[in-house]
Amino acid sequence: DAGVTQSPTHLIKTRGQQVTLRCSPKSGHDTVSWYQQALGQGPQFIFQYYEEEERQRGNFPDRFSGHQFPNYSSELNVNALLLGDSALYLCASSLDERLETQYFGPGTRLLVL
Amino acid sequence: AQKVTQAQTEISVVEKEDVTLDCVYETRDTTYYLFWYKQPPSGELVFLIRRNSFDEQNEISGRYSWNFQKSTSSFNFTITASQVVDSAVYFCALSEANQAGTALIFGKGTTLSVSS
Repeated sequence: DAGVTQSPTHLIKTRGQQVTLRCSPKSGHDTVSWYQQALGQGPQFIFQYYEEEERQRGNFPDRFSGHQFPNYSSELNVNALLLGDSALYLCASSLDERLETQYFGPGTRLLVL
Repeated sequence: AQKVTQAQTEISVVEKEDVTLDCVYETRDTTYYLFWYKQPPSGELVFLIRRNSFDEQNEISGRYSWNFQKSTSSFNFTITASQVVDSAVYFCALSEANQAGTALIFGKGTTLSVSS
């Protein structure tokens, strides 16, 4: 039973560029959430997707956008990258039973130079 | 507002010592869930436990135990007879039931170092 997978594992970009991160949920899960974890901090909620719609959003600017596909996989897009966007980006999947446990992928480490 | 506080930034113990990681939360809701996750150096968050606000029973799983006290808004995690493999960052998290979604609010984490 495959867990949550994310790609790529590492990424280096320069300021002003755009980046797309990808996530495949755990088998049987239909909800995907994205988190940003800066060095030495706890993960911060970016947004959550269910039925291909953004259901909930954290305190992140519009430069952060996402998408969920019919197979439940998801993408996180960040435009106009800033140095402060350097972080570990974590994807989590869950079932849409209210407050089912979220299971996390290994993350994508993004470095913005 | 929702908030999770893990006051202990770093804890160092010697193998076989018992260690307790503290977690204090704030929420206006009566229905909520609390979680603990472990983050080893590889970076992946590993789920340890979920507790709902109506279940204050303590739980034990092997060397791990959790103490949930609504009166003090605390959800503490104890590792008995710690091992080197327990070295990791541990996060406590909160999720409220009345939100449109199920966002997790994390504390800043406690780094546990277990030496042999």
